Amino acid sequence: EAQVTQNPRYLITVTGKKLTVTCSQNMNHEYMSWYRQDPGLGLRQIYYSMNVEVTDKGDVPEGYKVSRKEKRNFPLILESPSPNQTSLYFCASSQTRNINIQYFGAGTRLSVL
Amino acid sequence: GESVGLHLPTLSVQEGDNSIINCAYSNSASDYFIWYKQESGKGPQFIIDIRSNMDKRQGQRVTVLLNKTVKHLSLQIAATQPGDSAVYFCAVLLFMDTGRRALTFGSGTRLQVQP
Repeated sequence: EAQVTQNPRYLITVTGKKLTVTCSQNMNHEYMSWYRQDPGLGLRQIYYSMNVEVTDKGDVPEGYKVSRKEKRNFPLILESPSPNQTSLYFCASSQTRNINIQYFGAGTRLSVL
Repeated sequence: GESVGLHLPTLSVQEGDNSIINCAYSNSASDYFIWYKQESGKGPQFIIDIRSNMDKRQGQRVTVLLNKTVKHLSLQIAATQPGDSAVYFCAVLLFMDTGRRALTFGSGTRLQVQP
């Protein structure tokens, strides 16, 4: 089954404790992206990757890091989480020629205390 | 840049009626206009899109209308069913001079289908 898998689905942590949210896709997609979803703000892009070893900032990259060492994986790293990063996070992937059709994971709900 | 806004945060319709969800965008150079559906506890799911050189596109029970003159996009759902209850996002794809392909989402409209 074609899918985008995020882990964990739920995470509660404390300020300053480094964490990683993993994302994996099995569709051989070149393009991958991370979004955060906050009430009234829709989805905002954090980082994206056009292919292996090619990453770039989205609209809200501050406080986040990403890496793309393999085509299927695109982890999101919070080196020193803060309460304003409490949010619902989505990973998505697509073919580069069809970025309009993105496949989303089920989401990771993060709470930073 | 681009900003995208939906006209109503919540829309309530009777089962069997037609639903119309509206969206406005700001950048006339936008290339694609897309609708996503997000059911409770799930990630958004692609429904239908339309290119900037078109003004109407139809899918199964859904129609997207694009009015570039007033920068307005709408999603029409025919014979709305309980399974259509979800949050609907419009999104705009812009190919920027930097090479970035930016997908900007609106804030979403929650569609509630009353039995």
